[in-house]
Amino acid sequence: KNQVEQSPQSLIILEGKNCTLQCNYTVSPFSNLRWYKQDTGRGPVSLTIMTFSENTKSNGRYTATLDADTKQSSLHITASQLSDSASYICVVSDSWGKLQFGAGTQVVVTP
Amino acid sequence: NAGVTQTPKFRVLKTGQSMTLLCAQDMNHEYMYWYRQDPGMGLRLIHYSVGEGTTAKGEVPDGYNVSRLKKQNFLLGLESAAPSQTSVYFCASSYGASGGESYEQYFGPGTRLTVT
Repeated sequence: KNQVEQSPQSLIILEGKNCTLQCNYTVSPFSNLRWYKQDTGRGPVSLTIMTFSENTKSNGRYTATLDADTKQSSLHITASQLSDSASYICVVSDSWGKLQFGAGTQVVVTP
Repeated sequence: NAGVTQTPKFRVLKTGQSMTLLCAQDMNHEYMYWYRQDPGMGLRLIHYSVGEGTTAKGEVPDGYNVSRLKKQNFLLGLESAAPSQTSVYFCASSYGASGGESYEQYFGPGTRLTVT
């Protein structure tokens, strides 16, 4: 069973609207959680990283939250743009540096 | 500074053929990784290397071999390709294990491999 589950699998939003992606994990012992953005035909690129003691981190219009008690994270995209169309991947690292990747949420922003 | 590059970008193989995928990084990273990405699944680690001359098995190593003769290069080999190895392959590199912000993995653009 995958230790990192993301929802929804995909979503379509209108340009300018906000959206929130979810990530639930069971990885233990927890070290950090990253959100990656993967454009079609490209490799993933890191957006944010959060450790156990951090509960929010922003990168421009992207804001990630972490609740280490419930083992949940979210990625909020504000005022979406066409360039936000991509797959967003949640990646959790354990204390030994082993990474567990979620399957990703495919976001399509339409004009 | 090109980051992480992969060669080739696309390849079609017939069952039983062999090939080598090349990954190169110019960031002087110690760690390098090979992943495969399949639809509906997260990236899965095939093999990794913690330094020149070292390699180790990841989550799905069967059917693949790797070599790290030079620090900047990491090669992934398929000795006898099978249709189950149809996938997109990503190489990544990092300063060390992903235990902190400074150890972010940087990914290449991927190689799309089809085995018929």
